[in-house]
Amino acid sequence: ETGVTQSPTHLIKTRGQQVTLRCSSQSGHNTVSWYQQALGQGPQFIFQYYREEENGRGNFPPRFSGLQFPNYSSELNVNALELDDSALYLCASSLGGVSSYNEQFFGPGTRLTVL
Amino acid sequence: SQKIEQNSEALNIQEGKTATLTCNYTNYSPAYLQWYRQDPGRGPVFLLLIRENEKEKRKERLKVTFDTTLKQSLFHITASQPADSATYLCALDQMWNNNDMRFGAGTRLTVKP
Repeated sequence: ETGVTQSPTHLIKTRGQQVTLRCSSQSGHNTVSWYQQALGQGPQFIFQYYREEENGRGNFPPRFSGLQFPNYSSELNVNALELDDSALYLCASSLGGVSSYNEQFFGPGTRLTVL
Repeated sequence: SQKIEQNSEALNIQEGKTATLTCNYTNYSPAYLQWYRQDPGRGPVFLLLIRENEKEKRKERLKVTFDTTLKQSLFHITASQPADSATYLCALDQMWNNNDMRFGAGTRLTVKP
């Protein structure tokens, strides 16, 4: 059984650019959630995908968008990058959606720096 | 406004003692609460989940309590070890609000030998 993987591990972009982050969920999991974690803070929920459909969204602007593929892997896209987007981006997979009380398995994260 | 407060930014204890971490919340009605461990540069690792109708949950040296009247959860690590040093995060569900899971800022625990 493979764990949650994310790519790339680190990324440096400039303001205004666009970025795509990738996540492979744990084998057998059909739900992926994305979080943004600023230094010294807890993760902040961006959105969740369940069986390829968006299943919940936090307080993030529309320039944060996502996709989930038939194999349940997922992408997070951020357009028009701002300096405040610099953070650790985490994805977490689970079985059946957060509402079914299942634990989430987090990936190691992608560290995004916006200059 | 909604708030999740974890007792302090940092907690230092001696090896062998019991560490007690606090998670207080305001203006939430979670159906369950989770505790995670996070090491520097890594993603959080799930430790325990406790439902609103459960008072206490145990797993090896870990114990979690959940008091929905006080709006508080306590997380205990007994017989603490230096390997327990990490940041511990509590997280509340919001199943009624777009499945938005809310995390506290965490408490950094250091266990000294």
